[in-house]
Amino acid sequence: GENVEQHPSTLSVQEGDSAVIKCTYSDSASNYFPWYKQELGKGPQLIIDIRSNVGEKKDQRIAVTLNKTAKHFSLHITETQPEDSAVYFCAASRNTNAGKSTFGDGTTLTVKP
Amino acid sequence: ETGVTQTPRHLVMGMTNKKSLKCEQHLGHNAMYWYKQSAKKPLELMFVYSLEERVENNSVPSRFSPECPNSSHLFLHLHTLQPEDSALYLCASSQELRPTDTQYFGPGTRLTVL
Repeated sequence: GENVEQHPSTLSVQEGDSAVIKCTYSDSASNYFPWYKQELGKGPQLIIDIRSNVGEKKDQRIAVTLNKTAKHFSLHITETQPEDSAVYFCAASRNTNAGKSTFGDGTTLTVKP
Repeated sequence: ETGVTQTPRHLVMGMTNKKSLKCEQHLGHNAMYWYKQSAKKPLELMFVYSLEERVENNSVPSRFSPECPNSSHLFLHLHTLQPEDSALYLCASSQELRPTDTQYFGPGTRLTVL
């Protein structure tokens, strides 16, 4: 089955700096890669996603890049703000496993003011 | 709010108790999920329902019993649990059972088994 590894497990940055979280996956058939943000006391919420036919996607301060050859994808947050502090999860899934995403272990991001 | 509610938010139970977790989605979605989130471990998919039919049972012990009476409600019935079952139980829903359909999560039920 699919295996997703996420690094780092914790990340601390100064407000205004950039943050990068990386994930690798094992199943070359995976074709959909969402990123979730989980704030304290809440469930995960989708913040951005990318499909395998796209190399990069941006949404304001958030971007995701995908390297299918190397089987890794990354989340980039620019101009970080204290409200970006949360746990971030990557995931991977494929069409033949509808509804069954494999999640990374999560990265706890702390943005210091 | 995501449109997915879960009750109770916190639950403490003994190993011999029977309790139920409830999830309700107000989004008109057709697929619903139960996940287990333990500390230092990735999200674990437990059950998947599509149009009230269970389509995935991810090798979950029988002490966890799901029920989906309609497409808006999902229950997780618990009995004779073990302390290692203590975790955050998350419910989610999506429009259909497609990997590219966004899953909307509820806030979870924090379960402690004594």
